[in-house]
Formats: sequence, structure tokens, C-alpha cells
Amino acid sequence: GNSVTQMEGPVTLSEEAFLTINCTYTATGYPSLFWYVQYPGEGLQLLLKATKADDKGSNKGFEATYRKETTSFHLEKGSVQVSDSAVYFCALSPPNTDKLIFGTGTRLQVFP
Amino acid sequence: EAQVTQNPRYLITVTGKKLTVTCSQNMNHEYMSWYRQDPGLGLRQIYYSMNVEVTDKGDVPEGYKVSRKEKRNFPLILESPSPNQTSLYFCASSRGVGQGIIEQYFGPGTRLTVT
Repeated sequence: GNSVTQMEGPVTLSEEAFLTINCTYTATGYPSLFWYVQYPGEGLQLLLKATKADDKGSNKGFEATYRKETTSFHLEKGSVQVSDSAVYFCALSPPNTDKLIFGTGTRLQVFP
Repeated sequence: EAQVTQNPRYLITVTGKKLTVTCSQNMNHEYMSWYRQDPGLGLRQIYYSMNVEVTDKGDVPEGYKVSRKEKRNFPLILESPSPNQTSLYFCASSRGVGQGIIEQYFGPGTRLTVT
């Protein structure tokens, strides 16, 4: 079946530190992969996406590369800010569907 | 402004008292979905709708009902709420399969407490 596994949090970093949040997936076929971000008290917002192997999604300094050989889609940012504090969800969408399957989320806390 | 709205944002109720959470989108999206978010479990899909009058069960449909009489609205109905339905609920919508890369737009959430 289809599933997403992401690292447990919270991840606690100082401002300007490098961020990696690991995400691996199990899927049949070639899913699309997403990172969503949830700021406190808000709904989820799409952060970035990739639809095929070796694609790199990027937005707001965040990047993730679709690695089919390792079934991974790790989220990275070179220098985090306090405003990046949020919960980050990795998700996949099976081919030809609108269904989203989410990981459990990783809370990021960035301190000044 | 393109958005998904949900009401109410917060609701405290008692076991067995029927309630409805409304969801509306103004983007003419075909696909709509309800999720619940619980600590350590992420988001799990309750029901979804591919279009008007077309609804189907997600991963955790027990205890919930939905309807899709109009394209923009997708209410979630709890006929007899129980404490295990205490959760944070999100409605989402997207353009639909075959219309390009999928991005789901989420509402702000409804925090439901059933005592």
C-alpha cells in the first residue's frame, strides 16, 4: 500500500542553522510528493512539490528532491528563521488521484 | 480571494447531539475532502467527493456523513458524536484529476470537543 514515514519531532534549532527533515515513502507506481506546512492555529499550506523522479521542489528557501532509488523526499533549508517554526507534513498522492496520504508531521522550533 | 472556509472554528458539544460542520470553497473545485488531525497520527481522510452528488469513504469514515448537493459546499455531519471524535478537522479542495498538478487548498480547521 501507500504510506509516508517522516522523522519524529520536535526538531529544535537555533536561527540560521541548517535544517533536514527526513521523509520516506512506500507507493505503487509513481506518486507525486509534497511538503505542506502548518503554522500555529492555521490550516495546511503547500510548501513545495515534485511530480517525477529527480525533480527538485523549492520555495521560500526550502528544497526537496524526489529520489526514487531511495524512496525519499527529504526537506532541507540552509538557514532557518524563527518564522519557520511550524509543523511540516510530507505527503504523497498516488497517480491519477486527488488523494493525499500524509506522514505524521514534524514540529520545528527555531529559537533566536 | 481564493479560499476554503469552515464553520464553526471551535465547537464543544455533548455525546449524541447531532452537529454539522460546514465547508465552502470559492475556486470552482471539483474535488473536496474532509480530514481529521490527531497527535501522532497526522491527517487521515474521512470522506471525499469527486463532484456534485459523488461521495466516497476515506480511511476513517465511521461515525461521519457528508453530502455534496452543490459544487462549492461539502458539509460534515456527525449524527451522534462520541468522545473519540474529539479532534481537529480540516476541509480541503482541489481542481480534480486530469486538470494538472494537484494542489489541495485547506480550510483553517474546526476544533471539536465532545464531552
